[in-house]
Amino acid sequence: DADVTQTPRNRITKTGKRIMLECSQTKGHDRMYWYRQDPGLGLRLIYYSFDVKDINKGEISDGYSVSRQAQAKFSLSLESAIPNQTALYFCATRPTGEGFTDTQYFGPGTRLTVL
Amino acid sequence: AQTVTQSQPEMSVQEAETVTLSCTYDTSESDYYLFWYKQPPSRQMILVIRQEAYKQQNATENRFSVNFQKAAKSFSLKISDSQLGDAAMYFCASQGGSNYKLTFGKGTLLTVNP
Repeated sequence: DADVTQTPRNRITKTGKRIMLECSQTKGHDRMYWYRQDPGLGLRLIYYSFDVKDINKGEISDGYSVSRQAQAKFSLSLESAIPNQTALYFCATRPTGEGFTDTQYFGPGTRLTVL
Repeated sequence: AQTVTQSQPEMSVQEAETVTLSCTYDTSESDYYLFWYKQPPSRQMILVIRQEAYKQQNATENRFSVNFQKAAKSFSLKISDSQLGDAAMYFCASQGGSNYKLTFGKGTLLTVNP
């Protein structure tokens, strides 16, 4: 499985603040994803990246931006946080070339609360 | 577009018994994959089992198996010899298309009673 880490694990912030969630992985997977989980709604895709130069919007990208600083790092930013962005955020990676290339492996999640 | 429906918000099972979680999906893709993920209270998303749609044989991983009915677009998860550690939220998901994004159902909360 991919070794995917997310920082911070928990964060409380105020409306209007800028916040960055970071994701790092050590398995050399090219493809990385950011999802948001809300109670009763499952996970929804925010952004995804197939390599450092390839970033794509998901189904709920409004209010978010991302940066793929390196193959191993994919950050999610909320430029001006609002309360309805309170959610659990997951980073995921997916291998290419070897192994189950169709399978996504998830980080431990970041619980974000916007007051 | 893909949709995934889990019609059972909650299920319960006695320890050592068998339980089946239901999932139906809809996709226009000819090539796709199906997954079950488990989310325990630790909130980690853990892959339970995967199924390649072009394979007729049902996937099996130890006590976990699926009943994949392609024509009916059904993908149920059977957990045999249920254990207390199986208690979690279970998500069914499909993946296909050019971006290979996962589409999740809303989840089924499984309780295991001792």
